[in-house]
Amino acid sequence: SQTIHQWPATLVQPVGSPLSLECTVEGTSNPNLYWYRQAAGRGLQLLFYSVGIGQISSEVPQNLSASRPQDRQFILSSKKLLLSDSGFYLCAWNGKISGSPNDFGPGTRLLVL
Amino acid sequence: QKEVEQDPGPLSVPEGAIVSLNCTYSNSAFQYFMWYRQYSRKGPELLMYTYSSGNKEDGRFTAQVDKSSKYISLFIRDSQPSDSATYLCAGASGTYKYIFGTGTRLKVLA
Repeated sequence: SQTIHQWPATLVQPVGSPLSLECTVEGTSNPNLYWYRQAAGRGLQLLFYSVGIGQISSEVPQNLSASRPQDRQFILSSKKLLLSDSGFYLCAWNGKISGSPNDFGPGTRLLVL
Repeated sequence: QKEVEQDPGPLSVPEGAIVSLNCTYSNSAFQYFMWYRQYSRKGPELLMYTYSSGNKEDGRFTAQVDKSSKYISLFIRDSQPSDSATYLCAGASGTYKYIFGTGTRLKVLA
C-alpha cells in the first residue's frame, strides 16, 4: 500500500535559521508531489508542486524553496526563516485521483521565534 | 473576496443529526471539487471528490455541487461524535491547483 511520510512532526526554530522539511512517498512511482502551508484562520496555501525529479513549480513568491532529488522525495527548505514562516506544513501526492493533490501526510508544525 | 469561502463555525449538532456544510466559490472555471476532513493537528483526509455539477454519495456522506450558484455542500447523515473535525472544501479549474476554504469546525455532541 502507499504511504506518505513527513518529518519532523514539530519544529521550533529561531528567526534567521535554516529549514529543511522532508516528505517521502512509499509504494508508488512518479507521483505528483505538493507542499502546502496551513496558517491559523487561513486555507491551505499551495507553495510548490512537482511532476518529476528536478521539476519544481512555485506558486507563491516567498522565503522558501523546494527540491525533488529523488522520485519519491520532496524537500522544503529555507536559508533564513522569518516569523511569518510559522505554520503547519503539509505534503501531498495524487494518491487516489490522478493529477490531484488528495492524499496528505501527517504534517510538520513549525514555530519560528 | 476569497475564491472559496466557508463559515468557520463551530457548528454544534446532536448525535444522529443530519449535518449540512457549505461553501461558496467565485471562480466560474472551477470544475473539480473536493471535501476533506481534518482532525486537530493531523493532515486532511479526502472524503469526497466530484466533477462538475450534481450529487455524489458515499456511505453517510453526500456531496452536492451547484455550479449555477457556485455553491457546494456536504451532507453527513446520522452524525457521530467521531465526525467532530474541521471540514475543508476545495475547488479547481484544472487537476492540480486546488483552492481551499478555511474550514468549518463541526462538533457532534453525544
